[in-house]
Order: sequence, then C-alpha cells, then structure tokens
Amino acid sequence: NAGVTQTPKFRVLKTGQSMTLLCAQDMNHEYMYWYRQDPGMGLRLIHYSVGEGTTAKGEVPDGYNVSRLKKQNFLLGLESAAPSQTSVYFCASTYEGRGSTDTQYFGPGTRLTVL
Amino acid sequence: AQSVTQLGSHVSVSEGALVLLRCNYSSSVPPYLFWYVQYPNQGLQLLLKYTSAATLVKGINGFEAEFKKSETSFHLTKPSAHMSDAAEYFCAVRGGTGFQKLVFGTGTRLLVSP
Repeated sequence: NAGVTQTPKFRVLKTGQSMTLLCAQDMNHEYMYWYRQDPGMGLRLIHYSVGEGTTAKGEVPDGYNVSRLKKQNFLLGLESAAPSQTSVYFCASTYEGRGSTDTQYFGPGTRLTVL
Repeated sequence: AQSVTQLGSHVSVSEGALVLLRCNYSSSVPPYLFWYVQYPNQGLQLLLKYTSAATLVKGINGFEAEFKKSETSFHLTKPSAHMSDAAEYFCAVRGGTGFQKLVFGTGTRLLVSP
C-alpha cells in the first residue's frame, strides 16, 4: 500500500512552458486535493475533486487546470508556467464519507521552479 | 467561513522542555480541528484531530491538544521535547458536517536545541 504518490519530485521549467503533475492514490479514496505551499502562507487549496470525473476550484485556481479521469489519479496542469507558480505542490486524498472527519493523506510533494 | 491563526512562525525550545504551539480558530459552526506535522522535505502527516468526542485529544509521538470553546483555541503541547520533534506544525480547521474543505494556518516551525 503506497498511499499517495506524486510524480515528479522536482522540476525546473522556463516561463511559458507547460507541464502536468501526477498524483496517484491506492486507498480507494473518493476525494482528492491539490495544494501549494509557499513560505509564510501555509497550504492553499488549488483545486479539488469529490469523485471520478468531477473537479472544483479551490482558493487559488488561476493558472492551473485539473482532471480526474480515473478515481485513483488526479492531474494538475500548468498550461503556461509563470515564476509566481514556483512552489511546492502537495496532493492529498481522503475517503470523505458524509459527515466524515476523515484524515487527509498527503503525498511527498513536488518542488517546482519556474525561471 | 473558517480560519485559523497560529501565533509564532518559529518556536525554540531546549530538549526536555515543554512544547506549546498555539492555534486559535474561527468558525461559524462547531469545528473539527486538526494538527499536522511536516518533517523536512516530506508531506504532511496527521498528529491528532478533534471531532467533538473529547476536549483533550491525544496524538502520536506524545503530543496532545485541548479544545477550549470559550477561548476558541486548540493549542498543541508535549511535556518534554525531543530532537526528533523539530519540524513544521500546521493547525487546520474544517467546519460542520458534510464535505468541507480544510483551511490551514501558516505553520509554526519548532526548533529543538540540545
């Protein structure tokens, strides 16, 4: 049981380039999340998904797109990277039954630098 | 809307000393509260959570937190710090039942000196 995995671990992009971050979970969780972590700002929610085929915007969605074609995978895309998107990106998942206080399980993170 | 405030971006203690990390929350509904820990170059992992069952919550690695509604606080404590406790700690709040997103505080970095 690998939990939540993220690919890649590190990436350097030039301004304007595109890339996709992959998150995979093997816990059969319904809900998945993408956060970014910046110094002094904690974690901020980018997008989330409450099930296969559904996505929704979080707190800071601009410049990102997501897809949840399979229940176990949640992809985060940057169509045209900007230096302001330099950050550490974390994926998380949770079972999230109705009224649940389920724990969010986090991946190890992807460190992205945009030059 | 829910929010959390963590007082002190950095807290320094000596090994063996009491650890106290402060968290105050704001929520329009009865909150669910969480403490997560992040070790260097790793993701976050749950330390403990308050789900209204008991106001004093015990977590992993000897940490505990007490929910105080009158003070809107959920401070994290450990009686005796260990070098391995050095990490960043995040308080988070989720409001009500049904699906609600977690809102994280800005984090407190705990430094432990010998």
